Amino acid sequence: GDSVTQMEGPVTLSEEACLTINCTYTATGYPSLFWYVQYPGEGLQLLLKATKADDKGSNKGFEATYRKETTSFHLEKGSVQVSDSAVYFCALRDTGNQFYFGTGTSLTVIP
Amino acid sequence: SAVISQKPSRDICQRGTSLTIQCQVDSQVTMMFWYRQQPGQSLTLIATANQGSEATYESGFVIDKFPISRPNLTFSTLTVSNLSPEDSSIYLCSVEGRAPDTQYFGPGTRLTVL
Repeated sequence: GDSVTQMEGPVTLSEEACLTINCTYTATGYPSLFWYVQYPGEGLQLLLKATKADDKGSNKGFEATYRKETTSFHLEKGSVQVSDSAVYFCALRDTGNQFYFGTGTSLTVIP
Repeated sequence: SAVISQKPSRDICQRGTSLTIQCQVDSQVTMMFWYRQQPGQSLTLIATANQGSEATYESGFVIDKFPISRPNLTFSTLTVSNLSPEDSSIYLCSVEGRAPDTQYFGPGTRLTVL
């Protein structure tokens, strides 16, 4: 069945460091891919998405490119801030509109 | 966008009791979803709740254990019955947005069963 595997955390970075959170997926057909973010005490929020191969989603300085050849959707940011501290979830939505989520990666950015 | 609130935000319950979680949305939505996030695991869909019809449960989840109500287009409840420590999880309510491929989540209810 469809599934998402993402890098385990927790991840701790200094402010202005580069961030990469790996995400790979298994799916039949052509799923849509997402990154959600959950700030402390809040619900999951859509961070970015990509709906077809080679699409790049971007938001708030974060980027992820839909790579069908490597079945990956890695999240990147060139310079993290303390306010980026949160849990990040990679997810896919299959052709039957079912969502599958990764286990989440906790990021802590220290000043 | 949709703003979703859940009550309670957290609770500690005794084995064998039940907990009812409320989900309120600030707009009318057709479908509401209930997810479970067990410690260290990904979100798992429990059921889909449509207003005016029985909820549709995913494999491994049954109505007797997770009864759901959907009395109107802005509200739903999930009850976790006959609690055991294995039910300790975060339970999340979710709705689809108007734009394609958008889904909104509530803040979650953290349940601990002793």
